[in-house]
Amino acid sequence: DTAVSQTPKYLVTQMGNDKSIKCEQNLGHDTMYWYKQDSKKFLKIMFSYNNKELIINETVPNRFSPKSPDKAHLNLHINSLELGDSAVYFCASSASRNGGYTFGSGTRLTVV
Amino acid sequence: RKEVEQDPGPFNVPEGATVAFNCTYSNSASQSFFWYRQDCRKEPKLLMSVYSSGNEDGRFTAQLNRASQYISLLIRDSKLSDSATYLCVVNNWEYGNKLVFGAGTILRVKS
Repeated sequence: DTAVSQTPKYLVTQMGNDKSIKCEQNLGHDTMYWYKQDSKKFLKIMFSYNNKELIINETVPNRFSPKSPDKAHLNLHINSLELGDSAVYFCASSASRNGGYTFGSGTRLTVV
Repeated sequence: RKEVEQDPGPFNVPEGATVAFNCTYSNSASQSFFWYRQDCRKEPKLLMSVYSSGNEDGRFTAQLNRASQYISLLIRDSKLSDSATYLCVVNNWEYGNKLVFGAGTILRVKS
């Protein structure tokens, strides 16, 4: 049973399109995150939600909009995709304020 | 300056070797510390938490020096399966459990 699952695993799309990535966790965790890993392999936080409330919003273009319908789901919608958005996007969840995260397997987004 | 700095490597070691990775962090308010492991094209996975008293998990030993803002990971008797990228991670609770990742150190264990 996958703990944190993301869909799709791969996404190839053209510049200017709008796309969504979905994430679900069945661990009962309160907090969920989106991280971006760029071509240099650097992992950087984008957003964090705790019980459906946005608590971290890093400097991310407003073309990126997270949505958390409930504490088990966190989706990421991206408008007007650009070449620089190509990266691996990881969803993660954590149980507590000081706990480590459990990551999903990632969504590899390629914008052409 | 990056908040978490690591030597990117790669560290190329023979099987059975002992290898050590170091990491420094800049935010003295950091309160939790971890080592994660990331295999090629996979997600990061928690290897171990790091405590001030030092802690060991099998062949892996982690140390934290809060005064120097320095974290280390020692791997003894390296196995081929230890080949991966090791990510040093700190947590700043004041930002709502935000994990800040170093860029990672690449380890290649060769037979």
